[in-house]
Amino acid sequence: TQLLEQSPQFLSIQEGENLTVYCNSSSVFSSLQWYRQEPGEGPVLLVTVVTGGEVKKLKRLTFQFGDARKDSSLHITAAQPGDTGLYLCAGFVMNRDDKIIFGKGTRLHILP
Amino acid sequence: EPEVTQTPSHQVTQMGQEVILRCVPISNHLYFYWYRQILGQKVEFLVSFYNNEISEKSEIFDDQFSVERPDGSNFTLKIRSTKLEDSAMYFCASSDDRGETQYFGPGTRLLVL
Repeated sequence: TQLLEQSPQFLSIQEGENLTVYCNSSSVFSSLQWYRQEPGEGPVLLVTVVTGGEVKKLKRLTFQFGDARKDSSLHITAAQPGDTGLYLCAGFVMNRDDKIIFGKGTRLHILP
Repeated sequence: EPEVTQTPSHQVTQMGQEVILRCVPISNHLYFYWYRQILGQKVEFLVSFYNNEISEKSEIFDDQFSVERPDGSNFTLKIRSTKLEDSAMYFCASSDDRGETQYFGPGTRLLVL
């Protein structure tokens, strides 16, 4: 069974601080996605990382895929209250099944 | 920007009743999915659908569940006889790259009484 563990589960920090959240697995994934989910809404895709070691930037968000394609991190620089939300990582295995496996998420709260 | 849409946004039903949840995937996508999320829990895969047939289903997707693509635009999830534990948010997703990048709809909140 493939599992994705996200840490921390909850994070509350002051506006302007930097933070990193992690997504770890013992399984290898073909790609890994990061989503953001607001209460009562569907997950919104932020990024897909495919190559081991790949780094993608989305404004103040930096996503990295581990070299072994088993883990990923999301780093936010100078967090703002608008970054508050639930961040989900999800892994996909090509040619095995067509589903993505979600982690439980990191609930981030940025205090003004 | 193209998006996945779902109807209804909320559905309340009595236990034992049938419900049909509807989705309109992004128009050029070929791979379709249903997921559910019980309140406070993680998003769970239910079923994937490609070329008019199920390609993968989870253990949650038992005989009470079925999916259909009745025309060129809609993708439906039917629950034949709802149970209390079917109460959840149900998300439809679609992909054009065999699932690597999936775009989710806003969800249908199902409450079974």
